[in-house]
Order: sequence, then C-alpha cells, then structure tokens
Amino acid sequence: SAVISQKPSRDICQRGTSLTIQCQVDSQVTMMFWYRQQPGQSLTLIATANQGSEATYESGFVIDKFPISRPNLTFSTLTVSNMSPEDSSIYLCSVGMGTTEAFFGQGTRLTVV
Amino acid sequence: GIQVEQSPPDLILQEGANSTLRCNFSDSVNNLQWFHQNPWGQLINLFYIPSGTKQNGRLSATTVATERYSLLYISSSQTTDSGVYFCAATLSNTGKLIFGQGTTLQVKP
Repeated sequence: SAVISQKPSRDICQRGTSLTIQCQVDSQVTMMFWYRQQPGQSLTLIATANQGSEATYESGFVIDKFPISRPNLTFSTLTVSNMSPEDSSIYLCSVGMGTTEAFFGQGTRLTVV
Repeated sequence: GIQVEQSPPDLILQEGANSTLRCNFSDSVNNLQWFHQNPWGQLINLFYIPSGTKQNGRLSATTVATERYSLLYISSSQTTDSGVYFCAATLSNTGKLIFGQGTTLQVKP
C-alpha cells in the first residue's frame, strides 16, 4: 500500500486568492490523480498528474483554474486559482493503477470566504 | 463512460443491526473498491474487490462482475460505522476512479 501525505489539511481563504495543495507519496508511482468533492456530493476527477508533461484534465476543469505540477514520481501539487465561494470543497490526491488498489491522501478541506 | 449507482442513498440503523449496501456498474470493470469517508473527509479503504468475496471483521463484500454489481455487508453495526460509504470503479488501466453517489449511514445507539 502507499502512504500519501497531503497538506494543508484545511484552510480558509479569501476570494480572489490562490491556494496550493501538496501531495507526497512514500514510493514512486506512475499515476497520480486529483479529485474534488463539493459539499454533500460525491468525488469527481479533476485531472491526472503526469510526470514530465502537462496534466490531463477532465471535462469541466481547465489548467488556468487548476494548474498542476508533477516534478517527480513521488510529488504533485494542485493550485486552486482565483478562488470563489463555489470552490469550497474537499480536494484529494490519489495514486493507483487500474488493476491495483487506489489510495487517497487525507484531503484538504477548503473554505473560501 | 461507466456509470456507478449506489443504493440506498440513506440508511438509518439501530446499533447491532445488519445492513447491505449495493453498487451497480454499467460496464465491465477491472477495479472495484469500497471506501468509508470519515467525518473529517478522509477516505478509508475498505475493500479492493473486482470479483469474488472478501471479509474483514464485521465487514464483507462480494462482487459479481458478470452481473455488474457489488454488495457491502455490515454486521452488528456500531455507531462508529456511521458516515458515507462509496463504491468506485475503473473501466480500464487508466487508474481513473468513477464514484457512485454514496450511501449515508447513520447508526443510532
């Protein structure tokens, strides 16, 4: 299994600012993912963080709003840019392949005021 | 793309009761997982079960891949079992998980 450290665990931010969330894995992994969970909703995939190339975004998510970095096989960041109250959510990073078990970080609970 | 549906959406139990949560998926999958989300938002892995049956204490799960469903059984429920239970599936080797809408379980003392 993988141990994933995500920080910050929670934050309260002013609208119009940006927040960068970090995700550190205890072993090298090929695939890392970022998910969003809006209040009372299920999890939705934002993007796949690719090492050495741009992230692959899902429909409805764009790089300008959610820039992602993946400098190596153990680390990734997600930035939530120019935040509005609608960005208040839990953001989670995940690792795993399609044929193996996926694991999640502890999540970042973001509140935008 | 693959669709994942969970039922029931909400469930209220008395402590000690048993329950069954269901997850239907619309296509063949090579990964099916069950998670429990705690009040702090953390997802706890319960089972990785693309097929077959597994048990872990009071919890067990069965996936019948040919009929495209999975069941999570909770026996002798405790108040600490309360929370949201998600199933999630991937269609291919992409690693992308598609989540169901969850079952919110409340266990009353």
